[in-house]
Amino acid sequence: GAVVSQHPSRVICKSGTSVKIECRSLDFQATTMFWYRQFPKKSLMLMATSNEGSKATYEQGVEKDKFLINHASLTLSTLTVTSAHPEDSSFYICSGSADETQYFGPGTRLLVL
Amino acid sequence: GESVGLHLPTLSVQEGDNSIINCAYSNSASDYFIWYKQESGKGPQFIIDIRSNMDKRQGQRVTVLLNKTVKHLSLQIAATQPGDSAVYFCAENIGGGKLIFGQGTELSVKP
Repeated sequence: GAVVSQHPSRVICKSGTSVKIECRSLDFQATTMFWYRQFPKKSLMLMATSNEGSKATYEQGVEKDKFLINHASLTLSTLTVTSAHPEDSSFYICSGSADETQYFGPGTRLLVL
Repeated sequence: GESVGLHLPTLSVQEGDNSIINCAYSNSASDYFIWYKQESGKGPQFIIDIRSNMDKRQGQRVTVLLNKTVKHLSLQIAATQPGDSAVYFCAENIGGGKLIFGQGTELSVKP
């Protein structure tokens, strides 16, 4: 149980365009979802905490207008990278919280050209 | 500030040997810790967790030890297999479900 999916698994986009990444909890309801960013050979960096029906809470240094997060239901959160630039290229991972344990999605590889 | 770190960034072991991955944390108020395994290009996978009212917890081939006195956490993998090759992260729950991740240890298993 506790499966989280992400879509797409990888995406290539042109600089200046926006990209939406979906995160779904498949077999549990996640009142809280988290979005992380991970650079190669580095640890996961928490970007924001997403609560169903309310505004996301962003970590220090993360631009909320650039990384739009929507948590419309207990099973779906979306991250939209707006006006993407090459430096936004990264591995984006979401997680859903069930009790105190976070279950992670498979990640989305974003490449901005 | 709060931080969770690892003593060894890489670990190479022979297949069949036991592996020990270490982690240090700095927030003495933390009461919940988790170990994750991350294979290349995938999301972290839950391995085992432990609460601060315990000092040891065992799973299938894995054991987590917690030493609150020195704020140290370890993951022991018995009879390490090639499929165990991955990056292992410790994570500290700092409240509100938020996790702080350590820098990770890359485990390489030699056949």
